[in-house]
Amino acid sequence: AQSVTQPDIHITVSEGASLELRCNYSYGATPYLFWYVQSPGQGLQLLLKYFSGDTLVQGIKGFEAEFKRSQSSFNLRKPSVHWSDAAEYFCAVAGPRDMRFGAGTRLTVKP
Amino acid sequence: DAGVIQSPRHEVTEMGQEVTLRCKPISGHDYLFWYRQTMMRGLELLIYFNNNVPIDDSGMPEDRFSAKMPNASFSTLKIQPSEPRDSAVYFCASSHRPNTGELFFGEGSRLTVL
Repeated sequence: AQSVTQPDIHITVSEGASLELRCNYSYGATPYLFWYVQSPGQGLQLLLKYFSGDTLVQGIKGFEAEFKRSQSSFNLRKPSVHWSDAAEYFCAVAGPRDMRFGAGTRLTVKP
Repeated sequence: DAGVIQSPRHEVTEMGQEVTLRCKPISGHDYLFWYRQTMMRGLELLIYFNNNVPIDDSGMPEDRFSAKMPNASFSTLKIQPSEPRDSAVYFCASSHRPNTGELFFGEGSRLTVL
């Protein structure tokens, strides 16, 4: 079965700094990969997804992610973080009929 | 569409009581998922349905948990009897094609078992 690892439980960055959240996946076939964001007290919202083609995908809120098959990674990036980006971020990989999520990375943004 | 609707948003109950969580998926979505989120375990898939039929319930913790989907617009997750370790946020999500599309999540039901 597919699985996802997010090595960083908690990351703190200063507002305006760049951000990279790590995600490694395990899946035998071509993966479908996703990043979701969860604001406090809310459900998860899709940021971006990768199915095939261009390995650099753009999402909402200025986020992007790069798929690297050789490293089994799908890291999320943002050039300049805003205070409103403070949330929990989940990487996910889709199997034939379901989706598995990583443990999440909590992002704190310092003023 | 109003999105995935879950109820109740918050539930506080005593150990041993029965708890029923409800979910209304987005109309037209034929996949429905129940997830549990805790600090210790993160987001766990409990069970999912396709066309109202349970496909994989391997994530259901034990026999105290049961889930049903009597029709395309309604699902329940029941815990009987509840225990303090069941305290968590339970999310329902629906999708048209989960392996290529987006999962749409409800706002969750926060359960506290005293």
